[in-house]
Amino acid sequence: QVQLVESGGGVAQPGRSLRLSCAASGFSFNSQSMHWVRQAPGKGLECVAVIPHDGSIEHYADSVRGRFTISRDNSKNTVYLQMNSLRPEDTAVYYCVTGKYYFFDMWGQGTMVTVSS
Amino acid sequence: QSALTQPRSVSGSPGQSVTISCTGTSSNVGGYNYVSWFQQDPGQAPKLMIYDVTERPSGVPDRFSGSKSGNTASLTISGLQAEDEADYYCCSYAGSFTFVFGTGTKVTVL
Repeated sequence: QVQLVESGGGVAQPGRSLRLSCAASGFSFNSQSMHWVRQAPGKGLECVAVIPHDGSIEHYADSVRGRFTISRDNSKNTVYLQMNSLRPEDTAVYYCVTGKYYFFDMWGQGTMVTVSS
Repeated sequence: QSALTQPRSVSGSPGQSVTISCTGTSSNVGGYNYVSWFQQDPGQAPKLMIYDVTERPSGVPDRFSGSKSGNTASLTISGLQAEDEADYYCCSYAGSFTFVFGTGTKVTVL
């Protein structure tokens, strides 16, 4: 069955780095764009980054551009989010998300990132 | 991209209908027929309820329906039930592989 499993979340001090991973299975990973969506505690959903199926380009939310980098390894069916220069406002649940067409029908369970000194 | 605008909360009694609006711009909601809606319970990942403005995934009750006019999309829940109490988010394709979410609406069943 379709599965997205995130890992790598945890607690980091401001200014430090974390790398999230999302292992995909049950669908044609190398044919779909992959997204990271986050949700701060008590807040709404925010698209953080996207990478198309071939990794040809990347798009980022203004709030993370220049600090976060999305990448993918189609041979490992895995997408990554490298998060540098973390800020307290980056504290959120980070979801790995995808869909075959113009909507998200596959979500991971989420991984919590807490940025605090 | 700025978040799409939704009302903070809506409420209704069991059996009534409620409608949630989602206002964007011609660069997202108005420019594409790719608006989706998600239901989210506390501590859970969002669940897809509507896609492509009006389409329902299998398993979603037909009391959930979607529509769009210009830059505003809407989700209507007819015959409101206690289990419909949750947060709801709209989402629109915005071009170049990107999407934008709405601010979220809390639905309360009185």
